Amino acid sequence: NAGVMQNPRHLVRRRGQEARLRCSPMKGHSHVYWYRQLPEEGLKFMVYLQKENIIDESGMPKERFSAEFPKEGPSILRIQQVVRGDSAAYFCASSTRKGASAEAFFGQGTRLTVV
Amino acid sequence: QKEVEQNSGPLSVPEGAIASLNCTYSDRGSQSFFWYRQYSGKSPELIMFIYSNGDKEDGRFTAQLNKASQYVSLLIRDSQPSDSATYLCAVSPNTGNQFYFGTGTSLTVIP
Repeated sequence: NAGVMQNPRHLVRRRGQEARLRCSPMKGHSHVYWYRQLPEEGLKFMVYLQKENIIDESGMPKERFSAEFPKEGPSILRIQQVVRGDSAAYFCASSTRKGASAEAFFGQGTRLTVV
Repeated sequence: QKEVEQNSGPLSVPEGAIASLNCTYSDRGSQSFFWYRQYSGKSPELIMFIYSNGDKEDGRFTAQLNKASQYVSLLIRDSQPSDSATYLCAVSPNTGNQFYFGTGTSLTVIP
């Protein structure tokens, strides 16, 4: 049973380009969470999705960031017109059921560097 | 604003000692509590979860929960150098839409 798979592991983008981060949850998991971790800081919640639905996007910046979890395929976190401040590690986690009493398992993360 | 607070450390303990990591949370409606370990440059790894007041033991790890005091802790007995990492406390509310993480406590076990 493969774990949570994220790709790419490392992504370098120039300012103004688009970054697309992918996350395939663990088999049987239908809940996906995206987190951002800045250097020397904790994990910051961004968005919680189920298949074809955004459940909670209260942690997403209002502009340039979007997320989806289509019926088929991985969840995608998309960052348009990246800026240096977007450089961070982006982690995806998945779980089997809604929040309470549901532990989340993390992928290896995508380390985004904006140059 | 739901907050999870941890002492950032660094916390240093000698090999073989007990390491005690603490976490407080602001949302009284929180129902589930998790401890993750994160090695530098790696992803968080689930160590333990606890839902009920009291202690829960798993090997060298013991999680303690006190909902009245809004406090959860992690004890690591017989600490090993391989336990050196950042430990993240996470809390999930009853509505259960997400996990709130603390900023983590850095632990160093000195051989």
